[in-house]
Amino acid sequence: GESVGLHLPTLSVQEGDNSIINCAYSNSASDYFIWYKQESGKGPQFIIDIRSNMDKRQGQRVTVLLNKTVKHLSLQIAATQPGDSAVYFCAEGSTNDYKLSFGAGTTVTVRA
Amino acid sequence: EPEVTQTPSHQVTQMGQEVILRCVPISNHLYFYWYRQILGQKVEFLVSFYNNEISEKSEIFDDQFSVERPDGSNFTLKIRSTKLEDSAMYFCASTRDSNEQFFGPGTRLTVL
Repeated sequence: GESVGLHLPTLSVQEGDNSIINCAYSNSASDYFIWYKQESGKGPQFIIDIRSNMDKRQGQRVTVLLNKTVKHLSLQIAATQPGDSAVYFCAEGSTNDYKLSFGAGTTVTVRA
Repeated sequence: EPEVTQTPSHQVTQMGQEVILRCVPISNHLYFYWYRQILGQKVEFLVSFYNNEISEKSEIFDDQFSVERPDGSNFTLKIRSTKLEDSAMYFCASTRDSNEQFFGPGTRLTVL
């Protein structure tokens, strides 16, 4: 079946470096994509979203890139900080039903 | 800043018992959701609720599950006869009119 998935389950990054987390999706009907951050014992926390009519969107220290041709989504975190250590999930949805389908998650560990 | 709240934070129950998980969505939100996350796995959609009825449910959401919005603030998930495999984190989420869903901190359900 169609699903959202992540390329790498873990990512170790040096503090101050940039992080890139990748995500592949296969549901061509999805027109909304979102990145969540989940810290241990907490619920998913919104980071940034993007709609299918955009290729790039920037937030504070984060950028999401959407490549619809290859159905690829990425999250870039600039100047990674220890507080960025968490599991990052991409999720896809449709503006018709608002249901989100989550990927498997990438664990990001920031080295001091 | 308004937030989604959930009670209890941890529920331990015996197999076959009924449990009710409670959520208070953000007050002006109109769409409500339950998701679950089995330990170490991705977040899975259970059900969405709008205008006092279920708008969509997943195959996980079988006859043992039900949702209710008994008053203007609470949103509950009932599991009638719990099974061992129901052990998971259960997250409530809400949104007003967009895909940006706000998640609660979760209830950890442990079925013994």
